[in-house]
Amino acid sequence: DTGVSQDPRHKITKRGQNVTFRCDPISEHNRLYWYRQTLGQGPEFLTYFQNEAQLEKSRLLSDRFSAERPKGSFSTLEIQRTEQGDSAMYLCASSSGVGPEQFFGPGTRLTVL
Amino acid sequence: KNQVEQSPQSLIILEGKNCTLQCNYTVSPFSNLRWYKQDTGRGPVSLTIMTFSENTKSNGRYTATLDADTKQSSLHITASQLSDSASYICVVSDSGGGADGLTFGKGTHLIIQP
Repeated sequence: DTGVSQDPRHKITKRGQNVTFRCDPISEHNRLYWYRQTLGQGPEFLTYFQNEAQLEKSRLLSDRFSAERPKGSFSTLEIQRTEQGDSAMYLCASSSGVGPEQFFGPGTRLTVL
Repeated sequence: KNQVEQSPQSLIILEGKNCTLQCNYTVSPFSNLRWYKQDTGRGPVSLTIMTFSENTKSNGRYTATLDADTKQSSLHITASQLSDSASYICVVSDSGGGADGLTFGKGTHLIIQP
């Protein structure tokens, strides 16, 4: 499977714990995006990388959130001191930058108890 | 403020019937409009992408239309199948490249009944 992959698919954690998600984009896609989606809503933009550079960050990305893409390939999204309001599906997408299309991964469903 | 409104919120139809989903947007300047299909618990999958100059585009049983003057789009599904049960999300881009230029609708939740 050469699509976007995310790990883990599901994560249950207690409030106050830290969690880290991983996204592996399609090979040679230089753009990588993170989104958050709550039930019944469309995805909301969190942050965007072009290669290893984090070029855009949403105001939704509070100080407890940090994302990295150290080698311009896979990316991680860390949430520190999780809160119940962080419960959501976290989606990763990648694109080649040639056209507008983004390819989404299956998402990581986070539940904070 | 850029907005994308989708209707209906949810729709139930019988297998084999056709249906049309609506998307109205107030995004400016307009770059492109996308329809995605999202199965429950999965990431969105692209169905069509249309630019300003395109007013219809098909992908199998899915046909999207775009009226850039009235800022409306529709997604028509022909001869629905059980596998069409999903959320359909309309996304409008205002920048043509920047990541923060996408405005997502809340989606239409479609259920196909046998």
